Amino acid sequence: EPEVTQTPSHQVTQMGQEVILRCVPISNHLYFYWYRQILGQKVEFLVSFYNNEISEKSEIFDDQFSVERPDGSNFTLKIRSTKLEDSAMYFCASSRGTGRVTDTQYFGPGTRLTVL
Amino acid sequence: EDQVTQSPEALRLQEGESSSLNCSYTVSGLRGLFWYRQDPGKGPEFLFTLYSAGEEKEKERLKATLTKKESFLHITAPKPEDSATYLCAVQAGTGRRALTFGSGTRLQVQP
Repeated sequence: EPEVTQTPSHQVTQMGQEVILRCVPISNHLYFYWYRQILGQKVEFLVSFYNNEISEKSEIFDDQFSVERPDGSNFTLKIRSTKLEDSAMYFCASSRGTGRVTDTQYFGPGTRLTVL
Repeated sequence: EDQVTQSPEALRLQEGESSSLNCSYTVSGLRGLFWYRQDPGKGPEFLFTLYSAGEEKEKERLKATLTKKESFLHITAPKPEDSATYLCAVQAGTGRRALTFGSGTRLQVQP
């Protein structure tokens, strides 16, 4: 069964450093997403991406964040200058995106980001 | 603003003791309600999508139902391997794909 994969599983960085989190969505899916979950809190939407551009973003997704599909398989989230409060689990998700707008999003295992 | 509230926060059951988890929502234009299972340190695993009031979906020991204000996840004769956090999420509004999640119900099933 196809799965969303994410690397690395755990990333430790110093405050102010740039990090790139990587995801490989399910191969025939067209919509890609990033969510985050701060320890003990709800899963929160960050951004959705379709046809090589951002289709929707939340207030959390400010100028320090960016997303990119650098090739035919990878989808990345870049955080330019990390802050302590960026420490969280980051989940990538993908959905088929065909036909109805309400289609199921399948999540990856997550990358735990720790900012020191 | 879309709101999703799950109750109880935590639930401890004995193996075989059936129960229900609640997800109440306040949204404008619900298009879908999703149930996910999340194991510690892992990503949400899809269980069900419900689209309209009155709809029901079943999978093994789980059954999800939907009304105009809430959804229930019924667990019949649970086993220890059903222990996990169960997340409810909604998708609402015209053209929006973002999911709004509840805080989850942490279920522990004791043998």
